[in-house]
Amino acid sequence: AQKVTQAQTEISVVEKEDVTLDCVYETRDTTYYLFWYKQPPSGELVFLIRRNSFDEQNEISGRYSWNFQKSTSSFNFTITASQVVDSAVYFCALSEADTGGFKTIFGAGTRLFVKA
Amino acid sequence: DAGITQSPRHKVTETGTPVTLRCHQTENHRYMYWYRQDPGHGLRLIHYSYGVKDTDKGEVSDGYSVSRSKTEDFLLTLESATSSQTSVYFCAISDSGQADNEQFFGPGTRLTVL
Repeated sequence: AQKVTQAQTEISVVEKEDVTLDCVYETRDTTYYLFWYKQPPSGELVFLIRRNSFDEQNEISGRYSWNFQKSTSSFNFTITASQVVDSAVYFCALSEADTGGFKTIFGAGTRLFVKA
Repeated sequence: DAGITQSPRHKVTETGTPVTLRCHQTENHRYMYWYRQDPGHGLRLIHYSYGVKDTDKGEVSDGYSVSRSKTEDFLLTLESATSSQTSVYFCAISDSGQADNEQFFGPGTRLTVL
């Protein structure tokens, strides 16, 4: 069965610190997709990144980087030099094909507080 | 930003009353979804639609029904609201049914059932 675990419920850091948000997933499929979404205090979820199961290359986008390791079923998200605007809830999600389309399972989310 | 609106944005109702939440999109996307967000659970899929009049159940569909008579509108109905349905409800859309497709989310509806 699909499962996404974000063990860190809340993380608090001081501005300019680096922070890593952990995501561990379970699936029996060989083809699947992993996502990260950000939910700022305004409430809307914003797509950050997608990674497919065949591409283990790490990705960097500005201060954001993602480390995908199939061997440990993890898709961790690192924010370098955190800023107050990074304060949000971050969701990791796993998506795979299902009858009628696809099924997406979200983790419980990690709330990140970045203090000035 | 994807053109997705939800109405109402906030609602307080009493146990046993019917409630309908509306999701409206201007993107002409085929797929629409209703999720609920609860502390400790992330987002859980209630129902989804893969076309006009085509809907299917998600993970937590009990107590909810949906309808989609037009591409742009997806309605979520609580026939008889219960306190356990107090939650934040999000509508999402995607333009394909492929698993690699990101979803675009609406602003959410905060529902309180007293």
